[in-house]
Amino acid sequence: GAVVSQHPSWVICKSGTSVKIECRSLDFQATTMFWYRQFPKQSLMLMATSNEGSKATYEQGVEKDKFLINHASLTLSTLTVTSAHPEDSSFYICSARDSLRVENSPLHFGNGTRLTVT
Amino acid sequence: LAKTTQPISMDSYEGQEVNITCSHNNIATNDYITWYQQFPSQGPRFIIQGYKTKVTNEVASLFIPADRKSSTLSLPRVSLSDTAVYYCLVGDLPASGNTPLVFGKGTRLSVIA
Repeated sequence: GAVVSQHPSWVICKSGTSVKIECRSLDFQATTMFWYRQFPKQSLMLMATSNEGSKATYEQGVEKDKFLINHASLTLSTLTVTSAHPEDSSFYICSARDSLRVENSPLHFGNGTRLTVT
Repeated sequence: LAKTTQPISMDSYEGQEVNITCSHNNIATNDYITWYQQFPSQGPRFIIQGYKTKVTNEVASLFIPADRKSSTLSLPRVSLSDTAVYYCLVGDLPASGNTPLVFGKGTRLSVIA
């Protein structure tokens, strides 16, 4: 089945530094990928839609200059948390669906990245 | 995007059948219904998806009435490993691959030995 790989699975960084999270679709092409954030005991919140070869679309309240998204190929999207602060500590999850099989193709999720900013 | 309403939590004993109902009164004609399972510190895992009537796979069944304003996920003979949060989502999947899924609060299922 379709697999979405996310790396790293966890990362600890110091306040003020930047962290890059990678999301790869391993056996399918994804012209669109989605980034979510999840705080403890809460549901997933959509942050942005990543579009291959074009600018990402951000949800209201999500700072595009802080959460940089690059979708340079059909199988890779990256999320960079710039100048991270402790309040950015969260569980970040990416997702994608097979662009060539959109009909009835479910959204597949990566296993998430636990970011802790000290 | 249609909003969904689910029970916040449910408890069940091992071996029982569990039915989780989701309300989506504003579901659109093009919307599909999809259920996901999430364990702590993991990404959601696809369980089942349907448009109308009944869908069954190796892990669950999905019942959708004719008006499609609700759906019921049925888990047969649950085990302790089925303890997780279950999310019901609706979205326009076939028409556009660019449509994200918006998560509601989900149902926290606790299976007791």
